[in-house]
Amino acid sequence: DAGITQSPRHKVTETGTPVTLRCHQTENHRYMYWYRQDPGHGLRLIHYSYGVKDTDKGEVSDGYSVSRSKTEDFLLTLESATSSQTSVYFCAIRREGETQYFGPGTRLLVL
Amino acid sequence: QKEVEQNSGPLSVPEGAIASLNCTYSDRGSQSFFWYRQYSGKSPELIMSIYSNGDKEDGRFTAQLNKASQYVSLLIRDSQPSDSATYLCAVNVPNFGNEKLTFGTGTRLTIIP
Repeated sequence: DAGITQSPRHKVTETGTPVTLRCHQTENHRYMYWYRQDPGHGLRLIHYSYGVKDTDKGEVSDGYSVSRSKTEDFLLTLESATSSQTSVYFCAIRREGETQYFGPGTRLLVL
Repeated sequence: QKEVEQNSGPLSVPEGAIASLNCTYSDRGSQSFFWYRQYSGKSPELIMSIYSNGDKEDGRFTAQLNKASQYVSLLIRDSQPSDSATYLCAVNVPNFGNEKLTFGTGTRLTIIP
């Protein structure tokens, strides 16, 4: 257990609605990441953060935004959800001197 | 060419045998290599990391790295049904101190009792 929680764990929403996913960590790590996982594509990085208010884009950032106002929370927002954003979303943290550890994931279905 | 490639499988191995999982990567500057195990419906779980050429053993798992050939492998000895999962290879792409991992699409492993 890497001390990571994600909420919600499951969500069904409609095309065009905004959606925010939350990642919360209890270990005060600097680096946090958002990935999506889809069949045939594996895990792909959406955005990551290297500190409060410090974020950068990953390989599939279009249609997503992030915010990090506190060390422990990293939010992923879909401004206007599309069916192509149906996926499983994983948050990860990086422990200093180690590598990334993943949260339990959020299953998002966009109808 | 994908940055990190794995045979998607499925790979079926009898219980008690050795399972061999392979991964190739394209960026010669890659420095760190990881194997994650992912059970169906669960999140990836780190099982091995390797940073230098050669073998690294941890229990029934052995990771092998050959940077000249840009090749990483994972051997699972005495395979158990509980080893049935998807195994993800991940490579650290240097990025000015910000670690980013690139993942392969995973190899699905089934251990046959």
